Amino acid sequence: DGGITQSPKYLFRKEGQNVTLSCEQNLNHDAMYWYRQDPGQGLRLIYYSQIVNDFQKGDIAEGYSVSREKKESFPLTVTSAQKNPTAFYLCATSDTVGNTIYFGEGSWLTVV
Amino acid sequence: QKEVEQNSGPLSVPEGAIASLNCTYSDRGSQSFFWYRQYSGKSPELIMSIYSNGDKEDGRFTAQLNKASQYVSLLIRDSQPSDSATYLCAVNLATSGTYKYIFGTGTRLKVLA
Repeated sequence: DGGITQSPKYLFRKEGQNVTLSCEQNLNHDAMYWYRQDPGQGLRLIYYSQIVNDFQKGDIAEGYSVSREKKESFPLTVTSAQKNPTAFYLCATSDTVGNTIYFGEGSWLTVV
Repeated sequence: QKEVEQNSGPLSVPEGAIASLNCTYSDRGSQSFFWYRQYSGKSPELIMSIYSNGDKEDGRFTAQLNKASQYVSLLIRDSQPSDSATYLCAVNLATSGTYKYIFGTGTRLKVLA
């Protein structure tokens, strides 16, 4: 089954805890992205990676961290430093940066 | 001024009518343009991409691009209740060798049966 797999789909976190959202792709795409979506707002870029072992901050990187050790994987860690982490998180890929972006199914994170 | 602007709606159209969704962008360096559909609680899915001025048709969907006026639109013919969703406009901007995808906040479309 091809595509972009995000897990978990729903996640509840206590304040002060770090959580990691998984994103795996088998599309052989070089570029991967993490976006955050809040109700009534557009998509905001957290981090992106053009190639393995390289990534750049997006517009709202504070309180988040990523790694890109494998082409297929781009996990996002939401740290306790992120003040308002409750949101819908979307992983996306494109064959190269600048080309069409495709999204995974998303992960809902709720801080309780 | 927002980089990509869309009317938030809701835009209500009767079933079978043409729905017209509009998007304006601020940077003339924008190179490629995309429309995504997002159902409530789901992730965006690509409808169409357009790169050059004019119209591009795909089934019931037509994307229109006018770079001189800096707008891109999406027409949905024979609108169906299943088209009810939020439509996101996205613009890809190349700046100093890097690319940046900028999304609008979306227009909510309601197709009335």
